[in-house]
Amino acid sequence: DQQVKQNSPSLSVQEGRISILNCDYTNSMFDYFLWYKKYPAEGPTFLISISSIKDKNEDGRFTVFLNKSAKHLSLHIVPSQPGDSAVYFCAAFAPDSWGKLQFGAGTQVVVTP
Amino acid sequence: NAGVTQTPKFQVLKTGQSMTLQCAQDMNHEYMSWYRQDPGMGLRLIHYSVGAGITDQGEVPNGYNVSRSTTEDFPLRLLSAAPSQTSVYFCASSVGVGGAQQYFGPGTRLTVT
Repeated sequence: DQQVKQNSPSLSVQEGRISILNCDYTNSMFDYFLWYKKYPAEGPTFLISISSIKDKNEDGRFTVFLNKSAKHLSLHIVPSQPGDSAVYFCAAFAPDSWGKLQFGAGTQVVVTP
Repeated sequence: NAGVTQTPKFQVLKTGQSMTLQCAQDMNHEYMSWYRQDPGMGLRLIHYSVGAGITDQGEVPNGYNVSRSTTEDFPLRLLSAAPSQTSVYFCASSVGVGGAQQYFGPGTRLTVT
């Protein structure tokens, strides 16, 4: 039973426009959320995170929004660039989980010229 | 500083064969883990370790063994390979048990025929 869900397997966006990736979770014990980015034939790399005490965290072109009541978070990329074409994984972490991250299935983003 | 390294990059096994996937990190991280990535499933935790001599099962441990004799190394053993173990395997490490930001290796693509 997946506790972290990314319901959109793919997203195509034009260069310069906004990419919005969505993630839903079911476990109310999750208190820390992360986004990882993955290029083909490479391991995932950390992109941005947010604690449950915040509802927004921004890092350059990347902003993550958290809506705890809806158990929903989203990643906004503005403006999208060709180098953003990758698979994005949402992950969540509970305080007593001994570092065990729960990952979503991923969203493939393709940024077109 | 090489980060997290994994060997081999690719491996083909026959059903019933055994092998060890190697993982090493040079960041002195206490926490290490193994994930498998399958299409539509995201990354699922196989086994993890919170320090040398301490290991525990993750979400999908069956058919795999681990040991942690040093801080640096965390090998994953397939005891008797099955086609269901065809996957991409990632090793990760992080600072401390609560370090949710994990650093991933480049992955091992395993095919079991």
